[in-house]
Amino acid sequence: QSVLTQPPSVSGAPGQRVIISCTGSSSNIGAGYHVHWYQQLPGTAPKLLIFANMNRPSGVPDRFSGSKSGTSASLAITGLQAEDEADYYCQSYDNTLSGFCVFGGGTKLTVL
Amino acid sequence: QITLKESGPTLVKPTQTLTLTCTFSGFSLRSSGVGVGWIRQPPGKALEWLALIYWDDDKRYSPSLRSRLTISKDTSKNQVVLTLTNMDPVDTATYYCAHRRDNSGDDYWGQGTLVTVSS
Repeated sequence: QSVLTQPPSVSGAPGQRVIISCTGSSSNIGAGYHVHWYQQLPGTAPKLLIFANMNRPSGVPDRFSGSKSGTSASLAITGLQAEDEADYYCQSYDNTLSGFCVFGGGTKLTVL
Repeated sequence: QITLKESGPTLVKPTQTLTLTCTFSGFSLRSSGVGVGWIRQPPGKALEWLALIYWDDDKRYSPSLRSRLTISKDTSKNQVVLTLTNMDPVDTATYYCAHRRDNSGDDYWGQGTLVTVSS
């Protein structure tokens, strides 16, 4: 069981908006550490989607946005497209046990 | 442009030690704030963070695997090496290395290498 908790799956119809949550604790997200989000298409390496809570790397559509509050973070995807169907992971840093990075358990997005 | 590539054995026997090398280009591990990390993904399962080494030789390890992991760098060869001792079939996974700078996430990834643990 991961230190960061994500829903196993979410779904939405094309054009709709979905939100993927990432819940941590006072030793990671709640301690102020940044949250990053990755998209992984089948058979490919993960791709950085959002860094430092809310920033998009060059080339990532503005349909993707991130936010953080307290011990949780969220990834919102608006105007869902078929190509958004993928696995999404959050990542942060935890300051226990000498400090380490950690991923959430991942969320499978299905576009209906 | 930044590229990374993982290399190492595709098949290891239980109890053996796995040694993986990440060879990169387009950046230097002498540059302030730069780091290279290792992440793995068992077939059909989630990403698991393993270890990270920074430009100043600061190292971080997954608590659950800390006793079995070692990460090191060779800046002259542009390589980062990960060793994982006492391999078990549950360690079967695709192993990725990735570049990061400061606290901006893992922005460049290698293609990954599948390591199978079987006798």
